[in-house]
Amino acid sequence: GQQVMQIPQYQHVQEGEDFTTYCNSSTTLSNIQWYKQRPGGHPVFLIQLVKSGEVKKQKRLTFQFGEAKKNSSLHITATQTTDVGTYFCAGFNRLGTALIFGKGTTLSVSS
Amino acid sequence: GAGVSQSPSNKVTEKGKDVELRCDPISGHTALYWYRQRLGQGLEFLIYFQGNSAPDKSGLPSDRFSAERTGESVSTLTIQRTQQEDSAVYLCASSSTYLAGGPGETQYFGPGTRLLVL
Repeated sequence: GQQVMQIPQYQHVQEGEDFTTYCNSSTTLSNIQWYKQRPGGHPVFLIQLVKSGEVKKQKRLTFQFGEAKKNSSLHITATQTTDVGTYFCAGFNRLGTALIFGKGTTLSVSS
Repeated sequence: GAGVSQSPSNKVTEKGKDVELRCDPISGHTALYWYRQRLGQGLEFLIYFQGNSAPDKSGLPSDRFSAERTGESVSTLTIQRTQQEDSAVYLCASSSTYLAGGPGETQYFGPGTRLLVL
């Protein structure tokens, strides 16, 4: 079945360092979404990428969608303690009825 | 306006008992989803409702799991004869449009119900 994989599973950085999480799908995606889940919270939508090769920025966050629309990445520049949480990528199933989530990358930041 | 709400927020039950979880979607949202998140794991799709169409039940792990939704209102997820492996956070999400493989629509998540089966 369709799978969405994320690496790394965990990442610890010092405050101010950069962070990147990678997302790979076993199938071509029509689009991809990224969510952030704070500890003890629920997933919150960050962004959606639709076009091949698309790059979007939100302040210190940069999102990329691969040319083949099978992979994506989230890069955080100069991490802050407020960036702590688990970042999930998600792609739609073949029917387009549900998002298939990756297992997430949990980021911890020490000051 | 109000977001997605779920109840109860926490549920502790004994193995073998039935539990019912409730989700109130955002008013006007036609699509409703249930997910399961085990401790330290990603989100696992369970079931999807779109209006009065037949639900997509492809993610339900066993016949002990069922869900209902009347129209575009409240949904209930029922787990019969609970097992310890059912312990997880059950998340509900709603969105305003049918996805159909198109550009997609943001899913808004509720706070979840934390289920612990002893």
